[in-house]
Amino acid sequence: DIVMTQSPDSLAVSLGERATINCKSSQSILYSSDNKNYLAWYQQKPGQPPKLLIYWASTRESGVPDRFSGSGSGTDFTLTISSLQAEDVAVYYCQQYYSTLALTFGGGTKVEIK
Amino acid sequence: QITLKESGPTVVKPTQTLTLTCTFSGFSLSATGVGVGWIRQPPGKALEWLALIYWDDDKRYSPSLKSRLTITKDTSKNQVVLTMTNMDPVDTATYYCAHRHVAAVGTGRNWFDPWGQGTLVTVSS
Repeated sequence: DIVMTQSPDSLAVSLGERATINCKSSQSILYSSDNKNYLAWYQQKPGQPPKLLIYWASTRESGVPDRFSGSGSGTDFTLTISSLQAEDVAVYYCQQYYSTLALTFGGGTKVEIK
Repeated sequence: QITLKESGPTVVKPTQTLTLTCTFSGFSLSATGVGVGWIRQPPGKALEWLALIYWDDDKRYSPSLKSRLTITKDTSKNQVVLTMTNMDPVDTATYYCAHRHVAAVGTGRNWFDPWGQGTLVTVSS
């Protein structure tokens, strides 16, 4: 299986400040034939199911605020919240879909207000 | 609007078989490219993908759990059923079903949106 490792496990950011979450895959999830990175990001607020934020590593899902952005390629990826809002308190997960055998998620990063 | 809802027992005993039903609306599982997956989350822990079924009845399973899982669909009832045999306390988790994202159609790959609210299953004697 492709192992997804997120860092940090948690972070506390002041309102209006930038939050940066990292996700590293155990092998490249960049598909050479289409030059796309097979990575999605989800947000899970307390007591709620995950919600898709980003796919193809950087394509924002419809309706997701533009303060959320995804970047990276190959094995190293980043989810950035440019100006943290109170409603962004959540756990964030990355998921690779490069493997046709097994979908795998990262361990999650908890974002709190400082 | 796509919605999904999981149903099934809240408590099962060790060694028993778990049967969960996902009832959905807003899409048809007979339409080309559509898929429904199951993902679970132990309390306070990360997400784990379990299984997926496609519109054409093709199925995918987590390699580590494949021997214990069966996924089926009933298109006429708009339902997907997941069975997991030989339940153990470590299988205690919230079980989610989720819709294969529309942008995944034609890619052979899978990510999910939206998800159901989930159902907590506790394995205890």
